Amino acid sequence: GAGVSQSPSNKVTEKGKDVELRCDPISGHTALYWYRQSLGQGLEFLIYFQGNSAPDKSGLPSDRFSAERTGGSVSTLTIQRTQQEDSAVYLCASSLGAGANVLTFGAGSRLTVL
Amino acid sequence: AQSVTQLGSHVSVSEGALVLLRCNYSSSVPPYLFWYVQYPNQGLQLLLKYTSAATLVKGINDFEAEFKKSETSFHLTKPSAHMSDAAEYFCAVTEGSGNTPLVFGKGTRLSVIA
Repeated sequence: GAGVSQSPSNKVTEKGKDVELRCDPISGHTALYWYRQSLGQGLEFLIYFQGNSAPDKSGLPSDRFSAERTGGSVSTLTIQRTQQEDSAVYLCASSLGAGANVLTFGAGSRLTVL
Repeated sequence: AQSVTQLGSHVSVSEGALVLLRCNYSSSVPPYLFWYVQYPNQGLQLLLKYTSAATLVKGINDFEAEFKKSETSFHLTKPSAHMSDAAEYFCAVTEGSGNTPLVFGKGTRLSVIA
């Protein structure tokens, strides 16, 4: 597609439920990032995929969070046993590669945990 | 690991006044530095980037930033603020090696007063 697509755009869930957020990057982009944006916290880095390298998971806040990227394209961020503090906008971005390449961001998935 | 500090979560200027948004970075190796902007209800987009060429970088909408290694700074400026500049601005850093993810600051919200 022409841009980075994320789904769902909005997700309301109950505390304790699992959620999956999907990101479809720009075709040919080898780098894919997940960030979390919440009020006053800016963009919090979660995880980074670059080509066939092992993902950089250093930003995942707990073991309830995981992500995978299948076939070097679509990525899924999974949050298990959601907590109210997980409520945020989850942003996906992709780029042609690492370093100086510019990120293209998706519109985000807004997660609300009741 | 690299990091970014943005001084001032909220900056307010009068229309026509100078805009100065501060960013200091920490990186153990030569960095690549970026400014992204998020207009209300829109996704993030690139304003400008520094990739070890000219230290004064010009971006869109008359914004510019100067890389100062001695001060580990990459402040964003614009000579004359417009109402349309009201947005959230994010500074970001990655290592020049390209092996590390892009890390963002917490953002500075710019308000422009008529």
